[in-house]
This record gives sequence, structure tokens and C-alpha cells, in this order.
Amino acid sequence: DTAVSQTPKYLVTQMGNDKSIKCEQNLGHDTMYWYKQDSKKFLKIMFSYNNKELIINETVPNRFSPKSPDKAHLNLHINSLELGDSAVYFCASSPQTGNTGELFFGEGSRLTVL
Amino acid sequence: KQEVTQIPAALSVPEGENLVLNCSFTDSAIYNLQWFRQDPGKGLTSLLLIQSSQREQTSGRLNASLDKSSGRSTLYIAASQPGDSATYLCAVRGGGNQFYFGTGTSLTVIP
Repeated sequence: DTAVSQTPKYLVTQMGNDKSIKCEQNLGHDTMYWYKQDSKKFLKIMFSYNNKELIINETVPNRFSPKSPDKAHLNLHINSLELGDSAVYFCASSPQTGNTGELFFGEGSRLTVL
Repeated sequence: KQEVTQIPAALSVPEGENLVLNCSFTDSAIYNLQWFRQDPGKGLTSLLLIQSSQREQTSGRLNASLDKSSGRSTLYIAASQPGDSATYLCAVRGGGNQFYFGTGTSLTVIP
């Protein structure tokens, strides 16, 4: 069973469209994250939720909106896609356990905006 | 703000060599440090997790050390194999559920 799963794995779309990426974890973790990895492989935190509450909201355009219906799911919706949004988006999760927990990643969703 | 640096950015070694990857961080107030491996087009796979109270962790041919006071960690890979070729990233966990990532070291092991 995949611990952190994301769908879709690949997404090719036109500028101006709206798209969503879904993430689910079956590890029972309290905290989930969205990271963006650019072409230089640098990982940048976008959002983090703890038990459905938004706890980290880095400086990203408000075209990006996360939603956590329950603590096992964290989705990312992107409005009015731009060329610069092309990247790999990773979902991750970690247990709260007093800040000592390990981070687990999904396989990534490669978004290409044409 | 925490900054994490990995040197070298790229490394190429012949098969069988022992090698060391470096990770440094600017703020020693961390909870743990994690080493990951990323294969092309794939996600990040956790290799080793060292809590702030620990000095090292070992898994098979991998050994990671942590010197929190000097802001350094090393990942030692013994008897390297072509299958070890990947990008290796380190990440430190700070407060507020924040993880700070290095820029990675791209390793190529030549058969």
C-alpha cells in the first residue's frame, strides 16, 4: 500500500485553465504539506495543514488554494494557470510527535503549462 | 531564517569508492535531520533520520552523522554501486512543523 499517494502523476494543460491535484496519506499522520520543486530541484514549502487546520502558508499567489477535508487528505487547486507554474508538486506528511517525526513524500505530480 | 547548504552540488566517483556528502545548516536549533534520495522523475525516499540528541544513524552501507553545535551533517556511503546514482537531499526540522531543504548533491557512480 502506498503511504502517500498523489493524483494525477502528470498534468499537461493550457495557460488560463484551472486544475487540481489530490493527495492522500494512510499513515495516520497529523500534518500534511505541499512542496513545489523547480527545474533546479529546489524544494519550496507552499502550505502545511495540521489536523485540517492551515498552519503554514508561504508566499504563494492566491491562485493556489489548498483544501483539507480531513487529516488524511490535502488537495491543491490552482486557478488561471501560468507558464511559471510548471513544476513538480510534492505532497508530504509527518506525525506531530513533538516535532521529532519523519517526513514522507508522495511520488510527485508533474505539471506542465503550455 | 534557516539556510541549508549541500556541497558538492555534483559528484562523480568510480564504483567501489567510499564517499562523503556534506550538509550544513545555519541555525542549530533543530529537532532532527533527515537524508533523502531522489531518483530522476521520482519522489523523495527517506534514507536516515537523526534526532537532535543523536550523533549518528546507520542503515546498511549508509552512515549519517550529526554535529548540531557546528551545524553539520555528513552522509557516508561505503563501497558505492551504480545503483546509488541519484540526487541526495538533506532536510532539517525546525519549529512550527517547518522542514528546510538543501539544494542536493547529484551523485553518479561509474561502473
